[in-house]
Amino acid sequence: VQLLESGGGLVKPGGSLRLSCVASGFTFSDYYMSWIRQSPGRGLEFVSYISPTSDYTNYADSVKGRFTISRDNAKNSAFLQMDSLRADDAAVYYCARSRSYESGASTYGYWGLGTRVTVSS
Amino acid sequence: DIHMTQSPSSLSASIGDRVTITCQAGHDISNYLNWYQQKPGKVPKLLIYDVSNLETGVPSRFSGRGSGTEFSFTISGLQPEDVATYYCQQYQSLPPAFGPGTKVEIK
Repeated sequence: VQLLESGGGLVKPGGSLRLSCVASGFTFSDYYMSWIRQSPGRGLEFVSYISPTSDYTNYADSVKGRFTISRDNAKNSAFLQMDSLRADDAAVYYCARSRSYESGASTYGYWGLGTRVTVSS
Repeated sequence: DIHMTQSPSSLSASIGDRVTITCQAGHDISNYLNWYQQKPGKVPKLLIYDVSNLETGVPSRFSGRGSGTEFSFTISGLQPEDVATYYCQQYQSLPPAFGPGTKVEIK
């Protein structure tokens, strides 16, 4: 199992970024995919998840209405569109997969290396 | 939202010591509790799921127990490679929530 994030960088407050996560080594369309972020001020924080067929998504209250998760099973990829970025969105963003098919969405057995998002003017 | 707390926030112990970390949930989370290890500069790694089940390949010196709102994580015989921050995480209800972490160092 490999997860590789990209798309992070420096953005001004109010700006947008689109994170990508390319997966390999497993049947991507079988698994929930999640985004989790980590910052010194907020620790590890759930951001969002998406069901295998994209019929169900969930967001942290702190990002609801600003972030949108999506996936393309044909491309083994998950995405996080981040709009109206704020200083407190600055973090390392990890793509994560559930431990197993049976474990549901929120036991994170596999993590990518992360991509850093910096929000600053 | 369910708030997770951990204690202590950090500890220093000698090689071979038994180390115990506690995790408390703001509401009853049954057995929906995981533990992760994050070594310095590395990605979090799942160690224990559903309170007490060791992930494949995790040494047996790691263990977990508890239910409801009170949980514990133990390293039975601290090793140099165990230097890390350990996080509990609940997934009984959305949003999933992590504890603030316990930093474990060698004395």
